[in-house]
Amino acid sequence: DAGVTQSPTHLIKTRGQQVTLRCSPKSGHDTVSWYQQALGQGPQFIFQYYEEEERQRGNFPDRFSGHQFPNYSSELNVNALLLGDSALYLCASSLPGPGEQFFGPGTRLTVL
Amino acid sequence: RKEVEQDPGPFNVPEGATVAFNCTYSNSASQSFFWYRQDCRKEPKLLMSVYSSGNEDGRFTAQLNRASQYISLLIRDSKLSDSATYLCVVWGGGGSNYKLTFGKGTLLTVNP
Repeated sequence: DAGVTQSPTHLIKTRGQQVTLRCSPKSGHDTVSWYQQALGQGPQFIFQYYEEEERQRGNFPDRFSGHQFPNYSSELNVNALLLGDSALYLCASSLPGPGEQFFGPGTRLTVL
Repeated sequence: RKEVEQDPGPFNVPEGATVAFNCTYSNSASQSFFWYRQDCRKEPKLLMSVYSSGNEDGRFTAQLNRASQYISLLIRDSKLSDSATYLCVVWGGGGSNYKLTFGKGTLLTVNP
């Protein structure tokens, strides 16, 4: 049983560019959450998708957007990249309730 | 006040030592509580859920005090393989709140 997968593993972009990160949830999971983890910090919630809709959003600007597809996979898009967007981006899948969220290996984004 | 606060660490202990991590959370409506473990440059993984009655899993014991909004993790007989960052995590918190909120994490190094 494949766990949560993310692509790409690493990405280098320059300021002002746009990036798309992808996530496939664990089999049987229909809820996908995205987190940003800066160096030395805990993961910060960006947003969560359920039934192809954004169900909740954290304190991130509109430059961060997402999408969930009918097969439950998800994308995170970031526009107009800033140096401060450099971080590990984690995708987590789960069932809709309060249980465990399973994390993918992350995409490490570097903005130069 | 931060939503989830943990001991800043880092903790350096010898093999066989007992180590305790403490955590407080600010949202009294939080519904579920977890300890996650994160190895260097890897994704967070669930170590254990935390229940009001306290729970134990081998060498690991977790406690929750809802009245004082306090969570703890005790590791007995530390092993080299316990070296990691330990993240205190809460879920939910009133209304349409489905996110995990992480503390900053406490780094543990177990030395031979």
